[in-house]
Amino acid sequence: GENVEQHPSTLSVQEGDSAVIKCTYSDSASNYFPWYKQELGKRPQLIIDIRSNVGEKKDQRIAVTLNKTAKHFSLHITETQPEDSAVYFCAASRAGNQFYFGTGTSLTVIP
Amino acid sequence: GAVVSQHPSRVICKSGTSVKIECRSLDFQATTMFWYRQFPKQSLMLMATSNEGSKATYEQGVEKDKFLINHASLTLSTLTVTSAHPEDSSFYICSAGGTGPNEQFFGPGTRLTVL
Repeated sequence: GENVEQHPSTLSVQEGDSAVIKCTYSDSASNYFPWYKQELGKRPQLIIDIRSNVGEKKDQRIAVTLNKTAKHFSLHITETQPEDSAVYFCAASRAGNQFYFGTGTSLTVIP
Repeated sequence: GAVVSQHPSRVICKSGTSVKIECRSLDFQATTMFWYRQFPKQSLMLMATSNEGSKATYEQGVEKDKFLINHASLTLSTLTVTSAHPEDSSFYICSAGGTGPNEQFFGPGTRLTVL
């Protein structure tokens, strides 16, 4: 099955700085890569996603890049704010829709 | 639209008892639903894929006789944790597949505590 690795496990940045989280996947058939933000005890919230036919996607302060050849994708958050503090998960999916999640990154934005 | 609910939100039970968790798609029909388990400070781990009217497909290492999944209608899937033990204490989250490719809508989760 799919194996998704995520780094770093914890990340602290100063408010206004950028944060980058990286994921790798093992299954070359995976074609959809969402990123989720999860606050303690709550459901994951989709923040951005990318499909395998696209190399980069941006939505305001959030961007995702995908390198299919290397089988890795990254989340970039610019101009970080305290409310960005949460746990972020990447995931990989192929036809059939099963999501395989990364191990998570706890992001802390220091005011 | 695309709202998924779970019931109960929290449950505490004694060791050896069974607990049923419901997952409902409130405003759409979901042919496929997924069940995840999340231990504290860990990731969401896919337990099984549930298709309406057929048997669930379990991920490797998940005991199908312990985690019974039923998907009897296009809006309801249930997960029953049988003979629960303290190590089954976890956050259980369901998601419902939407009509778009790779679309999933997550429920709010159920916190299970087994004493």
